[in-house]
Amino acid sequence: ETGVTQSPTHLIKTRGQQVTLRCSSQSGHNTVSWYQQALGQGPQFIFQYYREEENGRGNFPPRFSGLQFPNYSSELNVNALELDDSALYLCASSLGTTNTGELFFGEGSRLTVL
Amino acid sequence: AQKITQTQPGMFVQEKEAVTLDCTYDTSDPSYGLFWYKQPSSGEMIFLIYQGSYDQQNATEGRYSLNFQKARKSANLVISASQLGDSAMYFCAMRVLGSGSARQLTFGSGTQLTVLP
Repeated sequence: ETGVTQSPTHLIKTRGQQVTLRCSSQSGHNTVSWYQQALGQGPQFIFQYYREEENGRGNFPPRFSGLQFPNYSSELNVNALELDDSALYLCASSLGTTNTGELFFGEGSRLTVL
Repeated sequence: AQKITQTQPGMFVQEKEAVTLDCTYDTSDPSYGLFWYKQPSSGEMIFLIYQGSYDQQNATEGRYSLNFQKARKSANLVISASQLGDSAMYFCAMRVLGSGSARQLTFGSGTQLTVLP
């Protein structure tokens, strides 16, 4: 139990729709990052938020966007869904000031795009 | 850019035996951290062990140890006395360290470990 919770756990969307995934970070953690894990692959970094500002982004198009709120919870939004967006989306929280510390992951939101 | 290579898609081990999961990495940055995570079927990534590039000794955490060979750029995970509950997907990951860098992890493709009774 990492204290990181994600919702919803599973969802199905159709191509072209929009989706919002939510993440509550572990208490006291001010940094949240999001990863996309396609079936049979390792997670890929989407972006990171530190104190409500995006401070790092992976190789994902602008239709992937996010927010971090004052309580450090976060949202991942994906517009104009494509079939290849089907994946497990993982949220991880950490203390921004601890460079070598571990990331604490949630159980993920499994998105299926039809 | 960083790259992690895990060449063993699947491994089998007998219960109570030791097993080594391979990981090689590539980076031009001198300061980095190497991680191993376990992912059971539930999806959650569970942190196992960490090794910093400047750490002199190999990291150990209970039954997990990291065989760090810097010159060969390898960071193999050794699990001693395997248990049935160790059956899961295992990921090696890396992060470049230093101020201002995003704390993103670069993951390998994973190794599916199955512990046999």
